[in-house]
Amino acid sequence: SQELEQSPQSLIVQEGKNLTINCTSSKTLYGLYWYKQKYGEGLIFLMMLQKGGEEKSHEKITAKLDEKKQQSSLHITASQPSHAGIYLCGAGRAALTGTASKLTFGTGTRLQVTL
Amino acid sequence: AAGVIQSPRHLIKEKRETATLKCYPIPRHDTVYWYQQGPGQDPQFLISFYEKMQSDKGSIPDRFSAQQFSDYHSELNMSSLELGDSALYFCASSRRTGTYEQYFGPGTRLTVT
Repeated sequence: SQELEQSPQSLIVQEGKNLTINCTSSKTLYGLYWYKQKYGEGLIFLMMLQKGGEEKSHEKITAKLDEKKQQSSLHITASQPSHAGIYLCGAGRAALTGTASKLTFGTGTRLQVTL
Repeated sequence: AAGVIQSPRHLIKEKRETATLKCYPIPRHDTVYWYQQGPGQDPQFLISFYEKMQSDKGSIPDRFSAQQFSDYHSELNMSSLELGDSALYFCASSRRTGTYEQYFGPGTRLTVT
């Protein structure tokens, strides 16, 4: 079964609107990564969260990690067409092992931003 | 800033042929990962290397092999190609300790006909 579930699976928002994508794990999170992917292209690293309650921001994107809920959320403020793409969360084990590790990815959320 | 480099970007092979994909990690990154992404699927981990030694293994077929060289670049060798091997193959790199941030290359699109 899928370890990471993302919701929603797809999202269409009007430019300027805020949105949130959730990533829920069936296992304890020891490192949560967020990536953005354009169709057929590479994964662009957005942020990595390790500690419960940790929150990071980059430009208009904010990610939070709720360790107790085994969940992370990605929030985009005032969305722009450039935010369109597929957002993937990935789980690693760095916080547990102290070394970098492979990632297991979620199901992805496809975001479209309309004008 | 330097990124992960993969070559070739596109590759077309026939069934039963062999293919070699190359990956050049970000400078000072000592760990390399290979992932396979099928159409409409999320990336699946294949194999990883640290200091030329295999550090982890995922769902990599026996027909595939990989290695990491002394300059940290890595190669994924694929033999007896099947139609189902058609996919995007990503290489990623990170430092084994420290920030644990993992950066992906642009991928190699392999098409098996």
